[in-house]
Amino acid sequence: KAGVTQTPRYLIKTRGQQVTLSCSPISGHRSVSWYQQTPGQGLQFLFEYFSETQRNKGNFPGRFSGRQFSNSRSEMNVSTLELGDSALYLCASSLSGQLNTEAFFGQGTRLTVV
Amino acid sequence: DQQVKQNSPSLSVQEGRISILNCDYTNSMFDYFLWYKKYPAEGPTFLISISSIKDKNEDGRFTVFLNKSAKHLSLHIVPSQPGDSAVYFCAASGMTGTASKLTFGTGTRLQVTL
Repeated sequence: KAGVTQTPRYLIKTRGQQVTLSCSPISGHRSVSWYQQTPGQGLQFLFEYFSETQRNKGNFPGRFSGRQFSNSRSEMNVSTLELGDSALYLCASSLSGQLNTEAFFGQGTRLTVV
Repeated sequence: DQQVKQNSPSLSVQEGRISILNCDYTNSMFDYFLWYKKYPAEGPTFLISISSIKDKNEDGRFTVFLNKSAKHLSLHIVPSQPGDSAVYFCAASGMTGTASKLTFGTGTRLQVTL
């Protein structure tokens, strides 16, 4: 069974540009969450999508947005990139996102903003 | 504010000995806790979890202890093996959220030496 796939693995962008990251969850999983990992901050929750609807949202500015398609694949978009957006962006999928269910992570997309 | 804290950024343990990783939380609404392990260039992998109705959960070499009154949990690895060398993240969720909205600590890097 294929795991969570994130593309691209690495990305370099310039300040002010926008970027789109992609996440394909495990087949049959309907919940997709996004996290940002920076040194010293751990993983910080961005948002969660379930059945094409944003169900939960973290404390990030509106420049960070996402969407989910009918096949559960999700994209995350960051507009007007800032140097501080450089981070590892991780996507996690789970069957339903309910408590006591396990979330499986992808390998992440390493975004560098220069 | 950091609602889940891992105050030890790193830990070194000899092979065969016990590794104890600690985690403290401040939000009393958290009632489900998880540990994830992360190798470089890979996404976090689920290790073990515990619900607040329990004070201990064991899975092979891994045991998680929860002290609700102290808002503290710990992960014990016995015996430690070189392959356990990784960054360990403690995570929490609450009844008002879902398992897809996890609050993570900043991680503890465990090094198991020969």
